[in-house]
Amino acid sequence: NAGVTQTPKFQVLKTGQSMTLQCAQDMNHNSMYWYRQDPGMGLRLIYYSASEGTTDKGEVPNGYNVSRLNKREFSLRLESAAPSQTSVYFCASSEGQTGNYGYTFGSGTRLTVV
Amino acid sequence: AQSVTQLDSHVSVSEGTPVLLRCNYSSSYSPSLFWYVQHPNKGLQLLLKYTSAATLVKGINGFEAEFKKSETSFHLTKPSAHMSDAAEYFCVVNQYNFNKFYFGSGTKLNVKP
Repeated sequence: NAGVTQTPKFQVLKTGQSMTLQCAQDMNHNSMYWYRQDPGMGLRLIYYSASEGTTDKGEVPNGYNVSRLNKREFSLRLESAAPSQTSVYFCASSEGQTGNYGYTFGSGTRLTVV
Repeated sequence: AQSVTQLDSHVSVSEGTPVLLRCNYSSSYSPSLFWYVQHPNKGLQLLLKYTSAATLVKGINGFEAEFKKSETSFHLTKPSAHMSDAAEYFCVVNQYNFNKFYFGSGTKLNVKP
């Protein structure tokens, strides 16, 4: 089925460990995004990639890095995990760079940092 | 600057009664506006979007929303709630030609039998 695929679905890390969240889309979308969702705060943009080869910071980029590996894939890396990064992470893609296009979301990665 | 405010964190209705989820936005330019739904432990699904065409927008599952520029509102409605509508709903604003979407804090809809 076409869509956005995120892996893993669940992860528990110890403080200071690193990990990479993977995201791939098969809709030939230009733009890709990483959000985190915390209770009562909606979704907050971490990083986005308007097109292949470009990345930009969102609202809450500290503690994260991203790589737009190719048009399909956009990964999010936590170099040294902290308990404040416990959250649900969503990857999304969009056909274009303007607000005319909505997102297609992945099913999320639930990350717990202990 | 852009922002979006969802006026109710929780809404509870009885099955078969109307649903109203309120959203107000602020935007310097003509915005694009969206409503997304998130069922428990699921990703977000697009319900409907407004992109400067008709001000009354119809979405999936019987939902619709009306863009009112004078009130800076984009409230989501449904004439008759169904148990399967129980979920969290997010209002989202995007300023035209900018690659960032701003999410409201969400409204949890509870539907009572």
